[in-house]
Amino acid sequence: NAGVTQTPKFRVLKTGQSMTLLCAQDMNHEYMYWYRQDPGMGLRLIHYSVGEGTTAKGEVPDGYNVSRLKKQNFLLGLESAAPSQTSVYFCASSGQGPTEAFFGQGTRLTVV
Amino acid sequence: AQTVTQSQPEMSVQEAETVTLSCTYDTSESNYYLFWYKQPPSRQMILVIRQEAYKQQNATENRFSVNFQKAAKSFSLKISDSQLGDTAMYFCAFISNFGGTSYGKLTFGQGTILTVHP
Repeated sequence: NAGVTQTPKFRVLKTGQSMTLLCAQDMNHEYMYWYRQDPGMGLRLIHYSVGEGTTAKGEVPDGYNVSRLKKQNFLLGLESAAPSQTSVYFCASSGQGPTEAFFGQGTRLTVV
Repeated sequence: AQTVTQSQPEMSVQEAETVTLSCTYDTSESNYYLFWYKQPPSRQMILVIRQEAYKQQNATENRFSVNFQKAAKSFSLKISDSQLGDTAMYFCAFISNFGGTSYGKLTFGQGTILTVHP
């Protein structure tokens, strides 16, 4: 009964390095999302997916790419990390219709 | 575009007392949903309560209740009999036209840090 699982939980990157955050859900949800949380700004949507093979931009997509090759997985990539991408990243999933979103445990990323 | 505003960055309350967290939102939609999420120090996002805009009755979940004022676009959270475990960041959030083109995307407020003192 894992729900939404994110890996890794913590990561420190040097400026210019790349990395991929993995999100996996076991609830057969159609919709998946990546948010970032910054102090005083709440959570903001980076990218989202409404089904396998689809992705779309959210509010703050610049510097990130995503892929959803399998329904249960949603990957967030940083090709060239910048200090402005230091944040806590949350993955979430939800079913179609007015159901709640389920969140992963978050990934704290620091770019130095 | 929708916006959600939480004007109280921090609040504190004594154990067993009642506290109200404020939230206002702006939208031109008529069909939407509002949520309060709790984020304790563990960082996990936990749904506290939700309100459908078409329902006039305020939602209640045990010690948590909302005051939903649709005309004023206000959605406050009342926590009764506060407990130490209520200490957390609380986020107000909004989904418009769920099931339509919103695809369940949440718009969050800035958050309110609530501290419950013994």
